[in-house]
Amino acid sequence: GAVVSQHPSWVICKSGTSVKIECRSLDFQATTMFWYRQFPKQSLMLMATSNEGSKATYEQGVEKDKFLINHASLTLSTLTVTSAHPEDSSFYICSAKLYNEQFFGPGTRLTVL
Amino acid sequence: GQQLNQSPQSMFIQEGEDVSMNCTSSSIFNTWLWYKQDPGEGPVLLIALYKAGELTSNGRLTAQFGITRKDSFLNISASIPSDVGIYFCAGQPQGGSEKLVFGKGTKLTVNP
Repeated sequence: GAVVSQHPSWVICKSGTSVKIECRSLDFQATTMFWYRQFPKQSLMLMATSNEGSKATYEQGVEKDKFLINHASLTLSTLTVTSAHPEDSSFYICSAKLYNEQFFGPGTRLTVL
Repeated sequence: GQQLNQSPQSMFIQEGEDVSMNCTSSSIFNTWLWYKQDPGEGPVLLIALYKAGELTSNGRLTAQFGITRKDSFLNISASIPSDVGIYFCAGQPQGGSEKLVFGKGTKLTVNP
């Protein structure tokens, strides 16, 4: 139980384009999901908290207009990286909250050329 | 802000040896979680701890929630090659926040 999927697992895009990443809780409902970013050999950095039916809460320093988050259902949250630039290249990981635990997706590797 | 100090940063051990890693904080945490991350994958939850003093096992893994609520350790007994990976501690701070604070990770290498 408590399986979280992400799609796509990797994506390569041109600078200036937008990319959407999906996070799904497959066998449970999650009113709260989280989006993280991870740089090589570093820990996870929380970007935002995604709440079903309401606006996401962004961490300090994260541009909400650049990283659009939508949590339209209890099993799906999406992160859209708008007007992507090479510095946005990273490993993006989502998690879904079940009781007091967070279960992570497998991550999405974004490369912006 | 709150930080977790995780140590050691890396470990190189022989197969069959026991491993111990820990996390400490200057502030109180309500929940401690231990995750393992393989390269190119998301973290996988190993053990969750909810009460001060709680000692929980999951196979060869054992973790404890410190009495002061400011620390936790993870032990791995009789290590095997597939234990290789990065282990992260994560804590939910006192105060009701749903957010997790992560340690910087312990990279474990097991030599066959």
